[in-house]
Amino acid sequence: ELKVEQNPLFLSMQEGKNYTIYCNYSTTSDRLYWYRQDPGKSLESLFVLLSNGAVKQEGRLMASLDTKARLSTLHITAAVHDLSATYFCAGKLTSGTYKYIFGTGTRLKVLA
Amino acid sequence: DTGVSQDPRHKITKRGQNVTFRCDPISEHNRLYWYRQTLGQGPEFLTYFQNEAQLEKSRLLSDRFSAERPKGSFSTLEIQRTEQGDSAMYLCASSHQWVGNTIYFGEGSWLTVV
Repeated sequence: ELKVEQNPLFLSMQEGKNYTIYCNYSTTSDRLYWYRQDPGKSLESLFVLLSNGAVKQEGRLMASLDTKARLSTLHITAAVHDLSATYFCAGKLTSGTYKYIFGTGTRLKVLA
Repeated sequence: DTGVSQDPRHKITKRGQNVTFRCDPISEHNRLYWYRQTLGQGPEFLTYFQNEAQLEKSRLLSDRFSAERPKGSFSTLEIQRTEQGDSAMYLCASSHQWVGNTIYFGEGSWLTVV
């Protein structure tokens, strides 16, 4: 079964700094999702990465996918307080299942 | 497009009671998912529907859990004889099989079993 691991689990950073969240997965996944979740709220879709080398950017967030390394990254540029949230990555085996497996999340706190 | 709608948003029930949650997916989304999330954890897959067919069900799902999507539109998730360990947020999500790749989540239904 696919396993998805994120690190770090907790991240406290100053406004204006850059940082990267890592998402490793154990076997071939045909797509990789990134979601944001605010406390007590549902999940907001950020990015869908479909192929090796895919890079997507929205505002201060940029996500990339390396299928050979089984690694996706979410890079935060010049963090602002509003980015404080929990970020999840999720993947799915290439075939035979519709089950998306989520990582345990990275809780990000941006300090003003 | 009003998004994925879930009802009720919060439910407190006594152990042993049955509860039912409803999910209305985004219009024309033929794929529907149920997930469960506990504090500090990522969402955990429960079941998947494509149109009205339940195509996949988690092995973690006990016989007390059942889900339906009778006409391929809204879905219900029923938990029978609730236990304290069932306390969690139940999330519904939907997507379109042929248009786009994004899976949209609803606001969730919080269940507390006392």
